[in-house]
Amino acid sequence: QSVLTQPPSVSEAPRQRVTISCSGSSSNIGNNAVNWYQQLPGKAPKLLIYYDDLLPSGVSDRFSGSKSGTSASLAISGLQSEDEADYYCAAWDDRLNGWVFGGGTKLTVL
Amino acid sequence: QVQLQESGPGLVKPSETLSLTCTVSGGSISSYYWSWIRQPPGKGLEWIGYIYYSGSTNYNPSLKSRVTISVDTSKNQFSLKLSSVTAADTAVYYCARDHTATVGPGWFDPWGQGTLVTVSS
Repeated sequence: QSVLTQPPSVSEAPRQRVTISCSGSSSNIGNNAVNWYQQLPGKAPKLLIYYDDLLPSGVSDRFSGSKSGTSASLAISGLQSEDEADYYCAAWDDRLNGWVFGGGTKLTVL
Repeated sequence: QVQLQESGPGLVKPSETLSLTCTVSGGSISSYYWSWIRQPPGKGLEWIGYIYYSGSTNYNPSLKSRVTISVDTSKNQFSLKLSSVTAADTAVYYCARDHTATVGPGWFDPWGQGTLVTVSS
């Protein structure tokens, strides 16, 4: 049972837009920034979004992040087959005094 | 650019101690936090703990009694020891630069490629 809650899977057609949710509590998302990681099959995770909505250099602007209260979302527009991956949200938890992750969401591009 | 590489035994016997090293290249280990994260086969990510280059540490409460993270700035390396391992500790272990700072939590970037450690007799 992960501290942050994500849907196990989402799917959408190419060129469409999809959102992945991440739900937490006041001790994590409600009081700290959310980061998102993309894990391509067989690869290490890669930073996708940091500080809720900032894109690292080199990450496509088809990816965007947002946060409201104790929930965050990752949006991917103009879906491409290479976006098929597992996506994880993460945040610092003040009560646990450590990093917590969501369980991950598997994105399938139909 | 900074790159991280994990190394260590791929097979550890139950009740023994898992030992891994992360070598940082392309940059100095100084002035940053460095984390260990693991991922059991087919499952999600779990943060193990971090170390600051000065040696201060913070561990996941669920693993704290078994974890030790250390740093060797002369070799630009940091290490993980996990004692009394069981099959539940079988996972891919990643090291990552942790952009946590005195002003607050940061993010993980970059990550090492990961190394699979299997606990089995």
